[in-house]
Amino acid sequence: IAGITQAPTSQILAAGRRMTLRCTQDMRHNAMYWYRQDLGLGLRLIHYSNTAGTTGKGEVPDGYSVSRANTDDFPLTLASAVPSQTSVYFCASSDRLAGGNEQFFGPGTRLTVL
Amino acid sequence: GQNIDQPTEMTATEGAIVQINCTYQTSGFNGLFWYQQHAGEAPTFLSYNVLDGLEEKGRFSSFLSRSKGYSYLLLKELQMKDSASYLCAVEDSNYQLIWGAGTKLIIKP
Repeated sequence: IAGITQAPTSQILAAGRRMTLRCTQDMRHNAMYWYRQDLGLGLRLIHYSNTAGTTGKGEVPDGYSVSRANTDDFPLTLASAVPSQTSVYFCASSDRLAGGNEQFFGPGTRLTVL
Repeated sequence: GQNIDQPTEMTATEGAIVQINCTYQTSGFNGLFWYQQHAGEAPTFLSYNVLDGLEEKGRFSSFLSRSKGYSYLLLKELQMKDSASYLCAVEDSNYQLIWGAGTKLIIKP
């Protein structure tokens, strides 16, 4: 692995189903983020984690949950998907402890909720 | 509230120069970022400004005026591969990035 990986690449999901988007980084970055990107809107922060064991809510957290059991993994769970959660989801990481502000992005997951 | 404004779309000619503007109003300021995003791909980092002035990196330069809440990204000697969206983002007082909607740059031969 080099950088950040996300799985799946794309998914079509029935409304009401539970779904977990996976994100793994191998850069030992302390901070990780989940964004959604919708046409005409900027990236919007869903949840973040400044370090393993801690998480925080971003701008649009409702309907989503995250966990950060270790440094490398930061899964995003939709407990009961709704059509408004159709979007492209990006995971990102940064090395905040080293003073690095630059965020590195995974390739994204395209999710369609029907 | 927090707000990042940038033009929705711009068109330029191959070999020319283009300037993409970004204005911002945020709760606190810890730096401004420019990212490039090709269609269907992830954003990639271009530049970071935290002090006023111009930062030059090859064909790309970024300018910041904190007193005016203003930045621009300057792209010189445009190439067809520069066709992409350019995202402006400000790091606020909570060290979170607030993103503009992006400027889609179309390069014509």
